[in-house]
Amino acid sequence: QVQLQESGPGLVKPSQTLSLTCTVSGGSISSGGYYWSWIRQHPGKGLEWIGYIYYSGSTYYNPSLKSRVTISVDTSKNQFSLKLSSVTAADTAVYYCARDTIVGASDYWGQGTLVTVSS
Amino acid sequence: EIVMTQSPATLSVSPGERATLSCRASQSVSSNLAWYQQKPGQAPRLLIYGASTRATGIPARFSGSGSGTEFTLTISSLQSEDFAVYYCQQYNNWPPSTFGQGTKVEIK
Repeated sequence: QVQLQESGPGLVKPSQTLSLTCTVSGGSISSGGYYWSWIRQHPGKGLEWIGYIYYSGSTYYNPSLKSRVTISVDTSKNQFSLKLSSVTAADTAVYYCARDTIVGASDYWGQGTLVTVSS
Repeated sequence: EIVMTQSPATLSVSPGERATLSCRASQSVSSNLAWYQQKPGQAPRLLIYGASTRATGIPARFSGSGSGTEFTLTISSLQSEDFAVYYCQQYNNWPPSTFGQGTKVEIK
């Protein structure tokens, strides 16, 4: 059973960089066949897909966030990470990591972590 | 970007009754559509992919249909654990995928 777990600071100051890591267990990122994604949910709102990374390091980012997002992978630790720069209060959300199948549906999700942007 | 529109926003249903949720895409997504269930404080759970294929472990009372721009999620006989928010997601023009705004299924 694949499990994902987000970790990182729950509070980030405006203009700083949000950094989160997702640790995958029960499956290997480097085995291929899946994309590893970040998705966020603003409080009481819907879901917004942020971007993904493949084990090879290839990435794709949502155009709406592309200028501020970096997703990286560390296959030796079976982890992938999200960095979102120049954050504002509008980036306050629950951030989920997820495994995307080859066709795009997300079949495994982390429990989510709330990140608040506030001074 | 493909816009996904779900209706209704809230659906009030009695336990044991059928629930029918709709999702419309702003342009054709073929059958590249998924449905998710989300309960308070939990991550979304994949229910349906490919518009009509149940994900592993999903009960048969959940069924999906449709193609192109019109999709339906049907819960044949609502159980207490089914009261939640449901999201549709298109992944035809992926990346990026886009989600609907959700339908809340509440107890009548």
